[in-house]
Amino acid sequence: DAGVIQSPRHEVTEMGQEVTLRCKPISGHNSLFWYRQTMMRGLELLIYFNNNVPIDDSGMPEDRFSAKMPNASFSTLKIQPSEPRDSAVYFCASSGYEQYFGPGTRLTVT
Amino acid sequence: QKEVEQNSGPLSVPEGAIASLNCTYSDRGSQSFFWYRQYSGKSPELIMFIYSNGDKEDGRFTAQLNKASQYVSLLIRDSQPSDSATYLCAALSGTYKYIFGTGTRLKVLA
Repeated sequence: DAGVIQSPRHEVTEMGQEVTLRCKPISGHNSLFWYRQTMMRGLELLIYFNNNVPIDDSGMPEDRFSAKMPNASFSTLKIQPSEPRDSAVYFCASSGYEQYFGPGTRLTVT
Repeated sequence: QKEVEQNSGPLSVPEGAIASLNCTYSDRGSQSFFWYRQYSGKSPELIMFIYSNGDKEDGRFTAQLNKASQYVSLLIRDSQPSDSATYLCAALSGTYKYIFGTGTRLKVLA
């Protein structure tokens, strides 16, 4: 298996622009997670999907953040409008039992 | 607030020595625990997991769990410079929520 796939790997955008991060989980995994990692706050869970349904979005920082999982093999995390404080590495992870992380998207908002 | 606590380090050990990484957790309901290794600029990589009291060995790695003390540890035998990384401890709280510690930075000195 190719593992969890994320795109883009790096994204540089200007404040106010829309950003869309993409994730393809490991085939057969029924749980998908979006995390954000910064030096200051460590690894934070943003949202969790089970069988394509959002179960817990309590970690989504504001209404500017939204996530979708239209099918078992694809999820998006959208930030609109983006702000400099959104700069971080965003990880997607999937699990059947053990959780596996994708390579991450490094987002820089200027 | 359910938490996982780790000493941030750095923990420095000489090459060939045993590195001991420790983690405590607050949620007594947590049943499964995971150790991840994260190299700088990379995503967390699952090393091993444990859910029974006692020791679990996998190659040079041994995970130890003591539920009464709410304590998890990871021992790395014959430490190599390539083991230098940040090690994240995670507790599975409930059915899906992985609570991550902030990580311990390990430096193996050649």
